[in-house]
Amino acid sequence: AQSVTQLGSHVSVSEGALVLLRCNYSSSVPPYLFWYVQYPNQGLQLLLKYTTGATLVKGINGFEAEFKKSETSFHLTKPSAHMSDAAEYFCAVSEGDYKLSFGAGTTVTVRA
Amino acid sequence: DAGVIQSPRHEVTEMGQEVTLRCKPISGHDYLFWYRQTMMRGLELLIYFNNNVPIDDSGMPEDRFSAKMPNASFSTLKIQPSEPRDSAVYFCASTPGTGARSTQYFGPGTRLTVL
Repeated sequence: AQSVTQLGSHVSVSEGALVLLRCNYSSSVPPYLFWYVQYPNQGLQLLLKYTTGATLVKGINGFEAEFKKSETSFHLTKPSAHMSDAAEYFCAVSEGDYKLSFGAGTTVTVRA
Repeated sequence: DAGVIQSPRHEVTEMGQEVTLRCKPISGHDYLFWYRQTMMRGLELLIYFNNNVPIDDSGMPEDRFSAKMPNASFSTLKIQPSEPRDSAVYFCASTPGTGARSTQYFGPGTRLTVL
């Protein structure tokens, strides 16, 4: 069965600084990988996803993630944090069916 | 499109009462999912439907929980009787039937509090 580990439940960054959120997965088959963002009192919104092909994936709001099979990782980055990036971020994995397994989430706060 | 619609947004009830949560998926989406989010257990998939048929309900916690999808535009999640440990945010999501790589679109959630 697939699973996801997100390292760090809370990340605090200064406005303009690099955002790095770590995600490692476990899967018995080539996975589909997703990053979702959840703003307060809202549902989850897709940031980006990896299915096949290019391992560097670009998403909305300037975020990108790189699939590294050898490291079983799918870390999320953004070069320059903005106040509007304050939210909770979830990494998720699917083994080719429609069932998503989510990580515990990482809350990002942005300091002015 | 209005997106996935859930009602009510907030529900407060007393232990032992029946609770019904409602979801309207995005028109044309063939798959519908119910998730539960708690601090202790995170986001868990409870059940999902394809073309109104339940495909996998292995995440449903116990017999007190039931879900139905009588037509393509409506689904319910019922808890009877409710217990304080059912307090959580319940999300509905939908996706078109274009494969497992397709994006799941989430509703705003229903925050359930059982006293």
